Amino acid sequence: DQQVKQNSPSLSVQEGRISILNCDYTNSMFDYFLWYKKYPAEGPTFLISISSIKDKNEDGRFTVFLNKSAKHLSLHIVPSQPGDSAVYFCAAIGNQFYFGTGTSLTVIP
Amino acid sequence: GAGVSQTPSNKVTEKGKYVELRCDPISGHTALYWYRQSLGQGPEFLIYFQGTGAADDSGLPNDRFFAVRPEGSVSTLKIQRTERGDSAVYLCASSPDGGKGIQYFGAGTRLSVL
Repeated sequence: DQQVKQNSPSLSVQEGRISILNCDYTNSMFDYFLWYKKYPAEGPTFLISISSIKDKNEDGRFTVFLNKSAKHLSLHIVPSQPGDSAVYFCAAIGNQFYFGTGTSLTVIP
Repeated sequence: GAGVSQTPSNKVTEKGKYVELRCDPISGHTALYWYRQSLGQGPEFLIYFQGTGAADDSGLPNDRFFAVRPEGSVSTLKIQRTERGDSAVYLCASSPDGGKGIQYFGAGTRLSVL
């Protein structure tokens, strides 16, 4: 049973515009969330995280928003750059790490 | 410093054979994790080591899968009597102390069972 879901398998955005990647989870006990970025033939690399006591965390061009009542988080990338093209995984920490299925982002120059 | 290293990067084997996949974590990291990623899916947790001991092996799919970390650094994931459904990318990650710490991933071993 998928406890972390990314319902959009792919997303295309024009360079300079905002990219919004979404993630939903089912377990209200999750208290820490992370986004990982993955390039082909490489392992996932950590991007940004957020604790459940916050509703927003920002790091440069990347901002993660958490809506606990909706069990929803999103990653905003602005402005998007071609080098951001990768697969993005949302992850939640309960008794272990639970990953979503990923969203493939393509930033068009 | 060096990141997480996984060998081999690719492994092709025949159904029924035994395979070993190796993970060298970042030096000093006490926590080590194994994941399996099938095509179109996210990484799926298999097992977590804290030091030499398996703190959580609830993700291992069946008793054909086994992992060890005898000296608290290098870990080996062992799969007996491989099946075609075992074909996936096996990812290893380490973190300084487990818990909610960031996990650092290796590039993975792509296992193909023919």
